[in-house]
Amino acid sequence: SQQGEEDPQALSIQEGENATMNCSYKTSINNLQWYRQNSGRGLVHLILIRSNEREKHSGRLRVTLDTSKKSSSLLITASRAADTASYFCATDAFDAGRRALTFGSGTRLQVQP
Amino acid sequence: DVKVTQSSRYLVKRTGEKVFLECVQDMDHENMFWYRQDPGLGLRLIYFSYDVKMKEKGDIPEGYSVSREKKERFSLILESASTNQTSMYLCASSPHRANYGYTFGSGTRLTVV
Repeated sequence: SQQGEEDPQALSIQEGENATMNCSYKTSINNLQWYRQNSGRGLVHLILIRSNEREKHSGRLRVTLDTSKKSSSLLITASRAADTASYFCATDAFDAGRRALTFGSGTRLQVQP
Repeated sequence: DVKVTQSSRYLVKRTGEKVFLECVQDMDHENMFWYRQDPGLGLRLIYFSYDVKMKEKGDIPEGYSVSREKKERFSLILESASTNQTSMYLCASSPHRANYGYTFGSGTRLTVV
C-alpha cells in the first residue's frame, strides 16, 4: 500500500516562480524524506526531516512536517528550468520488523524557461 | 565519489529466461534494497537486506529472488522472466543507523519480450 501520496501529480510553472508539492501519509513515522528523479535516472536524496522537527531548509528547498495532519510539503523557491524532474516523498515508518522506505507515486514538475 | 552501480542501464530478455540484475555499492553500507518503478505506481519494494546473507521480502517479492553473498553486492534474480516484469529496477543502499537517506543507482530498464 502507498504510505506517501504526493499532490499534485503534475505541476507546471514558469522559471522564477515557487513550486509547492504536498505529501500525505498514513502511519506514524521516524522521518520523512524527499527525493528527486530526472527522467529515466535514479533517485537523488534531497532532504530528511525527523518526526520531531517541523521545518527544515536546504538551499532553495524548504520542507515542513505536520505529524498531527500526517502531511509534509516541499517548497522550491525561485525555480529554474534545471529543477524540472519528478519529486517523491518517502516515509520511514514504525513498521514492526521493517526498515525500508515507502515511496509515493511522485509529482512531476515542469519549469518553463 | 560514493556510489551505487547497477550493471546494466538497458536490458532486453525473452520470456522464460533467468535474469540477473547486479548492484554494487562502495560505501560499506549494511542495508541494500531493490525497488521497481512503474508509471503511476511509484516505487514498490521487492526485497531488501540488512546484512550479508540476510534477505527480507518487500511488498512484491513474487517472481523474484535475491542474493547477498558479499556486503557490497546485492543481486536481484528473475527466476523465469515474464512480460509483466518489464519495468525500471532501482537499487539503493543506506547505512544501518537511523535517519539517513538512501543512495540510489541509475536504474536498469528491463524489457521482457
